[in-house]
Amino acid sequence: GQNIDQPTEMTATEGAIVQINCTYQTSGFNGLFWYQQHAGEAPTFLSYNVLDGLEEKGRFSSFLSRSKGYSYLLLKELQMKDSASYLCAVIMNTGFQKLVFGTGTRLLVSP
Amino acid sequence: EAGVVQSPRYKIIEKKQPVAFWCNPISGHNTLYWYLQNLGQGPELLIRYENEEAVDDSQLPKDRFSAERLKGVDSTLKIQPAELGDSAVYLCASSFGGETQYFGPGTRLLVL
Repeated sequence: GQNIDQPTEMTATEGAIVQINCTYQTSGFNGLFWYQQHAGEAPTFLSYNVLDGLEEKGRFSSFLSRSKGYSYLLLKELQMKDSASYLCAVIMNTGFQKLVFGTGTRLLVSP
Repeated sequence: EAGVVQSPRYKIIEKKQPVAFWCNPISGHNTLYWYLQNLGQGPELLIRYENEEAVDDSQLPKDRFSAERLKGVDSTLKIQPAELGDSAVYLCASSFGGETQYFGPGTRLLVL
């Protein structure tokens, strides 16, 4: 089976830094995605990690530890437009690659 | 480059009525996915196509849901008859092989 956990909701202030954690227990792990989803819109791709370590992309960074079943998404210099849900999704190798999503973390950025 | 296109964006129907959703994937993407997303939840896979072939439909409620991708490009997802619990957002995504999935805007279904 699979289990993906992330906090339901987080709040932060404009200009601050926030870290959204994701822990997972899956079989056949083949990588981890982070998606951003604004209310009423499609999930949009943010990052992909398959090896341990930090991937940096502008204000967003994502970290993976395969041995710990742990990832985080780091958002720097928060802007109001960063208020959205952030979805952690794990690729399971079930003969073919299957993407399994967590429930998402709703981030509210206040002035 | 055009993204994944879905229609309609919104649909309101009465229970027991049929409904259909359409998806046009990103050009060149051979893999197409239909997901269901309930409020406050992550997307859940309903069916995955590799070209015309449904390679994973294990989560598709086959008594009322059906899907097709006849020419390996566009796809249609149908519910007949719809139930109150089917109210959700239906997302289509596409990828080249099993690489990064790109999502369409979704169809928001309300069953009354």
